Amino acid sequence: KNEVEQSPQNLTAQEGEFITINCSYSVGISALHWLQQHPGGGIVSLFMLSSGKKKHGRLIATINIQEKHSSLHITASHPRDSAVYICAVGYNFGNEKLTFGTGTRLTIIP
Amino acid sequence: GAGVSQSPRYKVAKRGQDVALRCDPISGHVSLFWYQQALGQGPEFLTYFQNEAQLDKSGLPSDRFFAERPEGSVSTLKIQRTQQEDSAVYLCAKTRVVVDSPLHFGNGTRLTVT
Repeated sequence: KNEVEQSPQNLTAQEGEFITINCSYSVGISALHWLQQHPGGGIVSLFMLSSGKKKHGRLIATINIQEKHSSLHITASHPRDSAVYICAVGYNFGNEKLTFGTGTRLTIIP
Repeated sequence: GAGVSQSPRYKVAKRGQDVALRCDPISGHVSLFWYQQALGQGPEFLTYFQNEAQLDKSGLPSDRFFAERPEGSVSTLKIQRTQQEDSAVYLCAKTRVVVDSPLHFGNGTRLTVT
């Protein structure tokens, strides 16, 4: 069974700080997803990665396949970035029977 | 969620009641997934459909859980004789069967069994 570990579990930072959330997994995968979940809200897909790096606005996601590790970075963090960020891994494109991490709760203080 | 409608948004059931949770992927994506998210935990896979075919139901926790997608669009997750441990948020997600196709999640149904 693939284990997905995220760190930290909770992170509080001041507005403007550079944020890094880490994800490690134990078994080879086809893709890794970074997801965002607001309290009481649904889940939004931020990135889907199988190699390298992707950037969208202030968000950057990287993955190192050899080390089985991914990071999500947020530059110039803002209070609206406060949410739970979840890492999830999949094994077959088209069958997203994902294994999820337990999430990182991020709070950005104004 | 982006093009995934789930209903009801909240459901309170007495222990032993049957419930039915609905997911409408709206814009006809092929693959549909159900996940269960307990409080403070990450989502866990329940079952997966490709069109009307249920290709994987290995995550369903017991035979009280049943899912269907008869016409390959709207899906229903049914829980019979609900128990307190069934209390969770039930999430539905869709994707296309192509590389790099993102997942789109619904807002979920929060089920509370009293």
